[in-house]
Amino acid sequence: SQTIHQWPATLVQPVGSPLSLECTVEGTSNPNLYWYRQAAGRGLQLLFYSVGIGQISSEVPQNLSASRPQDRQFILSSKKLLLSDSGFYLCAWSGYSGNTIYFGEGSWLTVV
Amino acid sequence: GESVGLHLPTLSVQEGDNSIINCAYSNSASDYFIWYKQESGKGPQFIIDIRSNMDKRQGQRVTVLLNKTVKHLSLQIAATQPGDSAVYFCAESHGSSNTGKLIFGQGTTLQVKP
Repeated sequence: SQTIHQWPATLVQPVGSPLSLECTVEGTSNPNLYWYRQAAGRGLQLLFYSVGIGQISSEVPQNLSASRPQDRQFILSSKKLLLSDSGFYLCAWSGYSGNTIYFGEGSWLTVV
Repeated sequence: GESVGLHLPTLSVQEGDNSIINCAYSNSASDYFIWYKQESGKGPQFIIDIRSNMDKRQGQRVTVLLNKTVKHLSLQIAATQPGDSAVYFCAESHGSSNTGKLIFGQGTTLQVKP
């Protein structure tokens, strides 16, 4: 069966510091991968998605970037965090044909 | 523009009663719909999905109803249990895209009273 892991689960970072959140998927090949952010108001905002290695699409302009160095690895990064980057970040995957998206357990980021 | 929204932000039900969570969508081209359950501090969990060629689909204690005429989606939970307390999201997508990008509603909080 497929599983998705993301880490760290919680992170407290000072403003201006870098960020790296990692996500890996197991049990499937060539998945579509996603990064979502969920602010305190509960809505899920799609940040990035990737349909293959090195292929990244950004949905919203922001202080973050994403990379996919391997088929089942997706990384969310920032060079300098802002207070507004605080939130709950969710990695997700779907099969190549898309549609149903399965989420990881999330990473809580607090920028102080 | 596209939007998926929920009629009620919070729903409170008695344990054992049936729950109905509603969702409206605005894009008539949407052909795939999903319900997710999100418990506090966790990622959303897939509950049930439905394609636009169906108007009803049943799972274990859950039923999704789709009314394409009025662009309305609902999730029915039978014999609601305390473990059902969570935020429920509906989401929709277009089959023409293989990226699987979903548009999410804002969520309804379900509170189950013992």
